[in-house]
Amino acid sequence: QQQVKQSPQSLIVQKGGISIINCAYENTAFDYFPWYQQFPGKGPALLIAIRPDVSEKKEGRFTISFNKSAKQFSLHIMDSQPGDSATYFCAASMEGNSGGSNYKLTFGKGTLLTVNP
Amino acid sequence: DGGITQSPKYLFRKEGQNVTLSCEQNLNHDAMYWYRQDPGQGLRLIYYSQIVNDFQKGDIAEGYSVSREKKESFPLTVTSAQKNPTAFYLCASSRDRRTDTQYFGPGTRLTVL
Repeated sequence: QQQVKQSPQSLIVQKGGISIINCAYENTAFDYFPWYQQFPGKGPALLIAIRPDVSEKKEGRFTISFNKSAKQFSLHIMDSQPGDSATYFCAASMEGNSGGSNYKLTFGKGTLLTVNP
Repeated sequence: DGGITQSPKYLFRKEGQNVTLSCEQNLNHDAMYWYRQDPGQGLRLIYYSQIVNDFQKGDIAEGYSVSREKKESFPLTVTSAQKNPTAFYLCASSRDRRTDTQYFGPGTRLTVL
């Protein structure tokens, strides 16, 4: 059962445009929602993250919008640049059961973003 | 230069052979993780370790084994029991078991011939 559903699978945007990637989750216990950026042949790198106590977080050109009631969150990339071309993963985690708790990330399947010059 | 290193970057093995992937971190992190990445599948958790000499199975542990004898090291062995071992393997770490942020290594691409 996929707990974090990500869409679209791929996205093509013109330089200067807005890229929007969406994720939906099922488990209401999730309390941390990061986005990772991955370039080909490299490991993912944390881009931006949000917790459910806020509805939006902005860092430079990257914004996370969070809708707790709809159990959805999205990544917006403003003024998209060719250098933003990468695969983006959303993820979610929650505090585990007592005695063995840790933050295990559940990932979406990824979105391949291509920004054309 | 702090971070997570994985070696080798590319690894080729014959079917039926066990192979061990290296993961080392100098971030003084307590928790370490192994993920497998396949095209279109996202990242799936294989094993994780919250502290030295302790580890737990993730979502797809069958055919894999790990050890955590040192804080800095968390090697992953892909055994011959793993039916489809060809994949990109990623190691990650976090400060402790209750810290959200995970930092990833550069990955090892394993190809079984």
